[in-house]
Amino acid sequence: EADIYQTPRYLVIGTGKKITLECSQTMGHDKMYWYQQDPGMELHLIHYSYGVNSTEKGDLSSESTVSRIRTEHFPLTLESARPSHTSQYLCASNERGSQETQYFGPGTRLLVL
Amino acid sequence: GDSVTQMEGPVTLSEEAFLTINCTYTATGYPSLFWYVQYPGEGLQLLLKATKADDKGSNKGFEATYRKETTSFHLEKGSVQVSDSAVYFCALSGAGSYQLTFGKGTKLSVIP
Repeated sequence: EADIYQTPRYLVIGTGKKITLECSQTMGHDKMYWYQQDPGMELHLIHYSYGVNSTEKGDLSSESTVSRIRTEHFPLTLESARPSHTSQYLCASNERGSQETQYFGPGTRLLVL
Repeated sequence: GDSVTQMEGPVTLSEEAFLTINCTYTATGYPSLFWYVQYPGEGLQLLLKATKADDKGSNKGFEATYRKETTSFHLEKGSVQVSDSAVYFCALSGAGSYQLTFGKGTKLSVIP
């Protein structure tokens, strides 16, 4: 079982608020990812990191930002939430080698009113 | 670029029915292939994987065989249970890649 955690699990906030979604893993994995999952289930990669102080944007453009100051921690921030940000956000990590399994957290379901 | 195409759902089956969810892929070289499952309200869990041609991944009664000649990785289970109701994602990781390319997901509902 993967040791990757996300908080909060559910979040309802008003438009314009700043939010941070937390993701942490205790497996010592270098590589971490954020996905946005739309109501139709499809997954979109929005950010990834291959190590401390390394962050890149994914395939889907996102107004969110990420940071990677510690190996185990990969938070995602929205400076000003909007209803279009309503979605499920999934964090994942994988081991050093290529083509390795990604392990997913339980997700954060965000609703912006 | 790499891509994954899986059969669209939703799929509704009666308990103990046979399940097949088709998955085909496009990739250069020799990708690794995965099936992930997402139960309601949860993240994705690895169900099974295969890393080279003709490998068969299996777990919890599910199995899939890496067929390079047909670029396919179809998921099968001989007798589904209500507890198998979930969304199933086929995915690949291309040669030398750290990232996953996902299919769009297939929602399975199993009724008693």
